[in-house]
Amino acid sequence: DAGVTQSPTHLIKTRGQQVTLRCSPKSGHDTVSWYQQALGQGPQFIFQYYEEEERQRGNFPDRFSGHQYPNYSSELNVNALLLGDSALYLCASSLGQWDQPQHFGDGTRLSIL
Amino acid sequence: AQKITQTQPGMFVQEKEAVTLDCTYDTSDQSYGLFWYKQPSSGEMIFLIYQGSYDEQNATEGRYSLNFQKARKSANLVISASQLGDSAMYFCAMRRSGGSYIPTFGRGTSLIVHP
Repeated sequence: DAGVTQSPTHLIKTRGQQVTLRCSPKSGHDTVSWYQQALGQGPQFIFQYYEEEERQRGNFPDRFSGHQYPNYSSELNVNALLLGDSALYLCASSLGQWDQPQHFGDGTRLSIL
Repeated sequence: AQKITQTQPGMFVQEKEAVTLDCTYDTSDQSYGLFWYKQPSSGEMIFLIYQGSYDEQNATEGRYSLNFQKARKSANLVISASQLGDSAMYFCAMRRSGGSYIPTFGRGTSLIVHP
């Protein structure tokens, strides 16, 4: 049973560019959440997708957008990259219920030069 | 607004001993859930244990137990019989029920287990 898979593992971009990160949820999960984790910090919630709709959003600008496909996989898009966007981006999947634990992928480490 | 506080940036423990990682939280909600995750250097967040605010019994999962003191708003993680593989960052998190599902994570505690 495959867990949460994210691609790519590492990515290097320059300021102003755009990036797309991808996530396949754990089998049977219908909800996907994205987090940004800066070095030495806990994860910060970006947004959550359920039934192809953005259900909740954290305190992130509109440069951060996402999508969920009918097979529950998801993408995180970041436009006009800033140096401060350098971080580990984690995808987590879960069933829709709020008290179900989230299963995380290994993350995508994004570096902005 | 929710807030999670982990006051121990780093902890050291001898192999086979028990260790407690502290977590306090602040919320005005009556119904919420508390989670602990482990993050090894590889980056993956691994779910360890869950406690619901209305659960009367402290949660246990193998060597992990959660010391839940609702009146004090604390949810400390206890790891018994520490192993070298327990060395990692540990994060406490909470989520309210209904409405906003936005989870809040603490800043984490780094645990190092000595042989």
